[in-house]
Amino acid sequence: DAGVIQSPRHEVTEMGQEVTLRCKPISGHNSLFWYRQTMMRGLELLIYFNNNVPIDDSGMPEDRFSAKMPNASFSTLKIQPSEPRDSAVYFCASGDVYEQYFGPGTRLTVT
Amino acid sequence: AQSVTQPDIHITVSEGASLELRCNYSYGATPYLFWYVQSPGQGLQLLLKYFSGDTLVQGIKGFEAEFKRSQSSFNLRKPSVHWSDAAEYFCAVGMFSGGYNKLIFGAGTRLAVHP
Repeated sequence: DAGVIQSPRHEVTEMGQEVTLRCKPISGHNSLFWYRQTMMRGLELLIYFNNNVPIDDSGMPEDRFSAKMPNASFSTLKIQPSEPRDSAVYFCASGDVYEQYFGPGTRLTVT
Repeated sequence: AQSVTQPDIHITVSEGASLELRCNYSYGATPYLFWYVQSPGQGLQLLLKYFSGDTLVQGIKGFEAEFKRSQSSFNLRKPSVHWSDAAEYFCAVGMFSGGYNKLIFGAGTRLAVHP
C-alpha cells in the first residue's frame, strides 16, 4: 500500500490567496483526519470525517478554513483567504475509529 | 482536562546506549495510548499502542513501552539506540468519545544520537 498521499508537499503563497491541500487516504480506511503542526501549538486536530461525513470540526480555526470529502478516496482542506499565521505543516491521517496513519504532510508558507 | 506531558524537550544519547522517553497523561477513564515517531520532513509513524491487556507492549524498530496506571505514565524504552533513531517522538492519548478516538498529543521529545 502506498500509504496516505498528500499534495503538494510544499506550498508557498501570498497572503490573501486561496490554498487547497489534497489528501488520498489508505484504501479501506473509513476515517480521515486533518491536523496542523506548528512550533507554538504542536499538533492540533482540525477536522475528522467518518465515512465521508464531517463528524467533528471543532478544531477548524475560523471560517477561512473549509474541508470536504467528496468520496472515500479524496479529501481537500481549503484556506481562503490565506494569512501568514496559517503557515504550518498540515497532515492528513486515515484509519479507523481507533488508529490513525499519517501522511507526509504539506508545508505551507504564506508570505 | 485531558492532557499529555512529555517532560523532556531534548534528549541526547550515545549510540548503543539505552533510552527512556517519559510520558505522563491526564485522563479520567482507561486511556488508549500511543507513541509516534517523526523523522525530519516526514509524517508521524506509529511505533506502538496500548489499548488493554499486557501493560508492556512491543513496537516496531525494537521499541517497547510500559503502561503504569498508578503513575499515569507510558514511557518509551529501547535497550540500544541506533543513529537512525534520531527523530522527534510524540506520545498521545486517545479519548474515545463521539464515536471515535480523538488523539491528544504531547509536545514531543527531540532525540539526538551521538556516534
